[in-house]
Amino acid sequence: DAGVIQSPRHEVTEMGQEVTLRCKPISGHDYLFWYRQTMMRGLELLIYFNNNVPIDDSGMPEDRFSAKMPNASFSTLKIQPSEPRDSAVYFCASSLNSRALFFGSGTQLSVL
Amino acid sequence: EDQVTQSPEALRLQEGESSSLNCSYTVSGLRGLFWYRQDPGKGPEFLFTLYSAGEEKEKERLKATLTKKESFLHITAPKPEDSATYLCAVQAWGSNFGNEKLTFGTGTRLTIIP
Repeated sequence: DAGVIQSPRHEVTEMGQEVTLRCKPISGHDYLFWYRQTMMRGLELLIYFNNNVPIDDSGMPEDRFSAKMPNASFSTLKIQPSEPRDSAVYFCASSLNSRALFFGSGTQLSVL
Repeated sequence: EDQVTQSPEALRLQEGESSSLNCSYTVSGLRGLFWYRQDPGKGPEFLFTLYSAGEEKEKERLKATLTKKESFLHITAPKPEDSATYLCAVQAWGSNFGNEKLTFGTGTRLTIIP
């Protein structure tokens, strides 16, 4: 299995620009999670889906963040407009029957 | 609110020097406790899941144990390749939703010196 695939691996953008992060979960997994990791706060859950339906988005920082899962094999996390404080590593993870999460390699986002 | 505290923040050991990492947790009802390993520039890699007090899991030089308030990750005769950040996470029984998410600690950065 290819594992969870995220793109891009690195993203550098200017403040105010739109950023779209992409994720392909492990085939057959029914849960998908978006986490953000910083040195100060560690891993924080942003939002998660079950069978493509958002279940808990209470971790989404503000209206500038949005996430979609149009089908079982694809999800996006969008930031519009981006701000320097959004700089972090964003991870996507998937699981089967809400057990162990399997993470992608992450997207390193830098907002200048 | 679920809380996970890991100690120490960083640990340096000589190759072959055994030690333990601690994970203390507070949850309304523990559904599962997870250990992950994270190498620089990579995503967390799943190691173990523990479900009830008294349970133990082993993998090579690592053994995870669980009590009602904390978990330990014991590392026996470590090698340089065991150097990584080790993360602990809890999954809690909740109300109608939110049972599936994992709450992570900030990790222990382990360095094994040859």
